[in-house]
Amino acid sequence: DGGITQSPKYLFRKEGQNVTLSCEQNLNHDAMYWYRQDPGQGLRLIYYSQIVNDFQKGDIAEGYSVSREKKESFPLTVTSAQKNPTAFYLCASQGFWGNQPQHFGDGTRLSIL
Amino acid sequence: AQSVTQLGSHVSVSEGALVLLRCNYSSSVPPYLFWYVQYPNQGLQLLLKYTSAATLVKGINGFEAEFKKSETSFHLTKPSAHMSDAAEYFCAVSLGSEFYFGTGTSLTVIP
Repeated sequence: DGGITQSPKYLFRKEGQNVTLSCEQNLNHDAMYWYRQDPGQGLRLIYYSQIVNDFQKGDIAEGYSVSREKKESFPLTVTSAQKNPTAFYLCASQGFWGNQPQHFGDGTRLSIL
Repeated sequence: AQSVTQLGSHVSVSEGALVLLRCNYSSSVPPYLFWYVQYPNQGLQLLLKYTSAATLVKGINGFEAEFKKSETSFHLTKPSAHMSDAAEYFCAVSLGSEFYFGTGTSLTVIP
């Protein structure tokens, strides 16, 4: 079945450490997105990519970095510069602009040790 | 500018009662509209979508939504709430290359 796989489900970060969240899709979608979700809050866009080797900052990109070397993969790195990284991170993809919905992975919950 | 607004961050209904979750959008051109559901510690799951065909859209789990251009609304309804409907619901709008989510409505179902 086609879908989006996020790993790991749970991740812990130590002080000063960078961590990378994985997102893989086999839907052949061009666009991919990373969102952050805090308790009781909506989705905030971190980064998005419309095509391989290109990506744009979203509303809260500071302290995060991404790469898009393959169409199927869009990993997110939470750097030590992100001082409040504890949150639920969601990856999404979309086939074509306009009438296509975004499809979501099951999320990664990041916590501070 | 806010492109999609969900009225009511928390809604409570009794089991078996009507569910009504409100969503209004702001757009000068016809948008594409979506409703998603999110259960705890899971991603968002598509409930239904409006893509300029029929104005009454039926989705999964007995939910439906009606697109009303005159009211710029896309409210989500279900005739009879079930305990399993308790979740967070998000309205979303696609405008050209931009995709916007509402802030979400948490639905509680009272037995």
